[in-house]
Amino acid sequence: DAGVTQSPTHLIKTRGQHVTLRCSPISGHKSVSWYQQVLGQGPQFIFQYYEKEERGRGNFPDRFSARQFPNYSSELNVNALLLGDSALYLCASSLPGGFPDTQYFGPGTRLTVL
Amino acid sequence: GQNIDQPTEMTATEGAIVQINCTYQTSGFNGLFWYQQHAGEAPTFLSYNVLDGLEEKGRFSSFLSRSKGYSYLLLKELQMKDSASYLCAVRDGSGNTPLVFGKGTRLSVIA
Repeated sequence: DAGVTQSPTHLIKTRGQHVTLRCSPISGHKSVSWYQQVLGQGPQFIFQYYEKEERGRGNFPDRFSARQFPNYSSELNVNALLLGDSALYLCASSLPGGFPDTQYFGPGTRLTVL
Repeated sequence: GQNIDQPTEMTATEGAIVQINCTYQTSGFNGLFWYQQHAGEAPTFLSYNVLDGLEEKGRFSSFLSRSKGYSYLLLKELQMKDSASYLCAVRDGSGNTPLVFGKGTRLSVIA
């Protein structure tokens, strides 16, 4: 079975630009979470979606937004990019109701902002 | 607030045993996860503890003490491929709430 997939793998943008990152969860998983991982740090929670509704939001500015589609795939959008947005963006999917509701991560999108 | 502490770096010898500690202070507790992350790759799930005690999975074991806010990951018979970062993460709410991660411990296995 295919795992979580993300696209693109790498991305280079300049300050002020906008970016869209995409994620497809494991088949049958209905929940998608987004995390930002800065080099040398652990992942930090950005958003969680379940059944197309936002179920949680981390401490990130309004420049960050996301949505989930009927097929449970998801997009993360970041506007007005800053140098500090350079990071690995991870998508994780899970099957709510299972035990222990493990989150399975995709390979990530490496975003570099110049 | 949420606080999860792990050592930044550790070095161990091939074939040896290493213990990676994690202490946490979170507003709630509904399970602790350990993930392995090789450089430039996604975290992969290793183990889960929600009750006190030891969970064993092959060469990897994880222990939890909820009263002490403490966990450790034990890696036995170390192999070079075990060189990676090990992330401790806590679920601080019920159901499928997001994980709160520590900064990770970078383990180097040397010959």
